[in-house]
Formats: sequence, C-alpha cells, structure tokens
Amino acid sequence: DQQVKQNSPSLSVQEGRISILNCDYTNSMFDYFLWYKKYPAEGPTFLISISSIKDKNEDGRFTVFLNKSAKHLSLHIVPSQPGDSAVYFCAASGVGSQGNLIFGKGTKLSVKP
Amino acid sequence: EADIYQTPRYLVIGTGKKITLECSQTMGHDKMYWYQQDPGMELHLIHYSYGVNSTEKGDLSSESTVSRIRTEHFPLTLESARPSHTSQYLCASESDTQYFGPGTRLTVL
Repeated sequence: DQQVKQNSPSLSVQEGRISILNCDYTNSMFDYFLWYKKYPAEGPTFLISISSIKDKNEDGRFTVFLNKSAKHLSLHIVPSQPGDSAVYFCAASGVGSQGNLIFGKGTKLSVKP
Repeated sequence: EADIYQTPRYLVIGTGKKITLECSQTMGHDKMYWYQQDPGMELHLIHYSYGVNSTEKGDLSSESTVSRIRTEHFPLTLESARPSHTSQYLCASESDTQYFGPGTRLTVL
C-alpha cells in the first residue's frame, strides 16, 4: 500500500509557464517532506524540503506548499525552463517510517521550448 | 553537498555470478542507504546503516547483503545474481538530508 502517491506519471508544460507537481500521502505521522529531481542515468538530486510546521517553503524558482489537513503537497516551478525536464520524486519521512524516506513513483516533467 | 561515488555505473553479468556494488562517500556521514529502483517506480529502501558495524534491512526484501566496516564505505553484495535482480541500485548518505550517488544499472542475463 503506497504511503506516498504521485498520481500524475507525466506533465508537459510550455517554457516560461508554471509547472505544478502534486503529491499525496496517507501517513499522518510524516513530518518532513522533500522533492528530488532525477535525470536519466543519474541519481536523484535534492531540490527542496518542508517541515510539517510550515505550509510553504521557497527557494528561487521552486516553491513547495504543504496542506496537512488534506495530506497534500505540491511543487511549483516558475518560470519553467527546458532544463527542468526530469523526473520529480516526492518523499516523506517521520516517526512512522523510523526516519527513513518513503518515495512516490515520480512525475516526469517535460518543458517544451 | 556530499560526494557520493558508485562503481560500476553499468554492469551486465550472467546468472549465478557474485557481484559487489561499491559505494563510498568522503564527507564522514554516519548514515548511509541503498535503494533499488525499477523504471517508472518509486525508490525502495533495501538496506541502511547508521554507522560502522551497523546495518539494517529496509522496507523491500532483498537477497543482497551489505557491510559497514569503514564510515566511508558501504558495499552491497549479491552472492548469486539472477535476472530478477536487474534494476538500478542507488546509494545515499545523509547529513541534513540524503544525497545520492549516480547509481549502478545492473542487468543480469
């Protein structure tokens, strides 16, 4: 049973527009959430994180929003660039996972010029 | 950011062979992890270590074994490779968050 779900396998966005990637989780004991970006044949690269005590964290073009009541988080990329094309993984951790990361299946983002 | 190294990057090997996937990091991190990932799927934790002589199995059952004799080194071994072991294996180490190596793409024929 998946505890972290990314229901959109893929997303296509025009360059310069906003990309919104979504993630849902089921375990209310998760208290730390991360987004990773992965290019083919490379390991995931840490992008941005958010603690459950916050509802928003921003780093340059990347913003993560957390809605604890809905058990939902999203990653906004604005403006999107062709170099952002990659697979984005949502991950969560907390008491329920003994501090280990639980990953979603990823969303493949394609940013078209 | 951590420097995590994995070798080999790609490995094609026949059934029944013993293989060791190497992972090393230069940052002195105590926590290290091994994940397995198939295309289009999530990363599954198969082993982790919180320090020298400490190893634990992860959420996904794996026939592989690991050792942690030195802080910087966390190798993964398959005693007898099978086609079902074909996958990408990712190593990570952790300070404030987990940083990943480039991965090993293993194909067992």
